[in-house]
Amino acid sequence: DAMVIQNPRYQVTQFGKPVTLSCSQTLNHNVMYWYQQKSSQAPKLLFHYYDKDFNNEADTPDNFQSRRPNTSFCFLDIRSPGLGDAAMYLCATSFGGKDSEAFFGQGTRLTVV
Amino acid sequence: RKEVEQDPGPFNVPEGATVAFNCTYSNSASQSFFWYRQDCRKEPKLLMSVYSSGNEDGRFTAQLNRASQYISLLIRDSKLSDSATYLCVVNTGFQKLVFGTGTRLLVSP
Repeated sequence: DAMVIQNPRYQVTQFGKPVTLSCSQTLNHNVMYWYQQKSSQAPKLLFHYYDKDFNNEADTPDNFQSRRPNTSFCFLDIRSPGLGDAAMYLCATSFGGKDSEAFFGQGTRLTVV
Repeated sequence: RKEVEQDPGPFNVPEGATVAFNCTYSNSASQSFFWYRQDCRKEPKLLMSVYSSGNEDGRFTAQLNRASQYISLLIRDSKLSDSATYLCVVNTGFQKLVFGTGTRLLVSP
């Protein structure tokens, strides 16, 4: 059974039209991450939550926001998607201990038209 | 300088070969280290954690050198199914997990 679930798997949005990607987990993990991965590049950390504590990367554009209403769910909001935001968005979770590995969802592939 | 760096490859090796990847990290306070494998258009999956004493899992061996701030992954007896991108991941502190640039491996018959 999938433990980190991302919806939808594929999302097409219009240039400038707000879009929300969702992630849920059944692992009861403390930490949830959002990564952006463009073609032939490594995943780039956008932000992460440790419980309710939000940690934004310095180079994450303001266009990207996140919400974590409870332990199980985390959302990525892109306020005004540009063509350059087309990518795979990966959600991951970890327990949060020193040697905790991250578990990934299958990703949402975002296309901006 | 990037926080975590890898040789992007690709490494082209024949079946049965031994291949090694290195990864360097810049933050000396980094706490934990992992190797992930990513197949084309799929999510990354944990291959193995890297412990201070080094660890082995079948054909895979991982080493950590804190003094020089690098980790390595050795794959022995390469299989066709080992073809993938190998990503070094570092917990740089406060649960921040940073990926290296990834090394692409192609194993040919």
